[in-house]
Amino acid sequence: AQSVTQLGSHVSVSEGALVLLRCNYSSSVPPYLFWYVQYPNQGLQLLLKYTTGATLVKGINGFEAEFKKSETSFHLTKPSAHMSDAAEYFCAVSTILTGGGNKLTFGTGTQLKVEL
Amino acid sequence: KAGVTQTPRYLIKTRGQQVTLSCSPISGHRSVSWYQQTPGQGLQFLFEYFSETQRNKGNFPGRFSGRQFSNSRSEMNVSTLELGDSALYLCASTRGDSAATNEKLFFGSGTQLSVL
Repeated sequence: AQSVTQLGSHVSVSEGALVLLRCNYSSSVPPYLFWYVQYPNQGLQLLLKYTTGATLVKGINGFEAEFKKSETSFHLTKPSAHMSDAAEYFCAVSTILTGGGNKLTFGTGTQLKVEL
Repeated sequence: KAGVTQTPRYLIKTRGQQVTLSCSPISGHRSVSWYQQTPGQGLQFLFEYFSETQRNKGNFPGRFSGRQFSNSRSEMNVSTLELGDSALYLCASTRGDSAATNEKLFFGSGTQLSVL
């Protein structure tokens, strides 16, 4: 079964500092990986998606992630944190289901805190 | 284009009652998935509907059921509510056809269910 593991349930950075949120995946087939963000009392918003091809994926709000097969990682980064980035971030892997369609298997989430 | 709409936003029920949640997908999307989000278990896949048929189901008891209408709107029902059913229920939509496998899911803001 495909799964993802997010290291660090809470990450705190200073405004303007580098953001690094870690995600490792487990998959026997080439994975389709996603990063979603959840702001308080809201649903999930897609930040970026990796399918195949370029290993560096650029997303919204200045985020990007690099797919590293040798390390089975898909870490999320942003060069300079902003107060508005404070939220919970979820890494997810897509699984094709036997009935058709697909489901997302999520990591446990990383709460990002941005301090002045 | 309107996003995924979930109603109601908040619900308070007591143990033993039943509840129905509603989800209207993005126009043109025929697949609707439901996820449960709790602090303890994280985000878990409940089921997915496509063209009025339940195509896939997660590992939840039979008290959790759903349906999809011809306009792709979906409802989710939980019978004989338990305290542990308190959660944020999220629905997501995609086109759902085979050509769109592993495409991103668009999430609604969720229904926060509290069981007292």
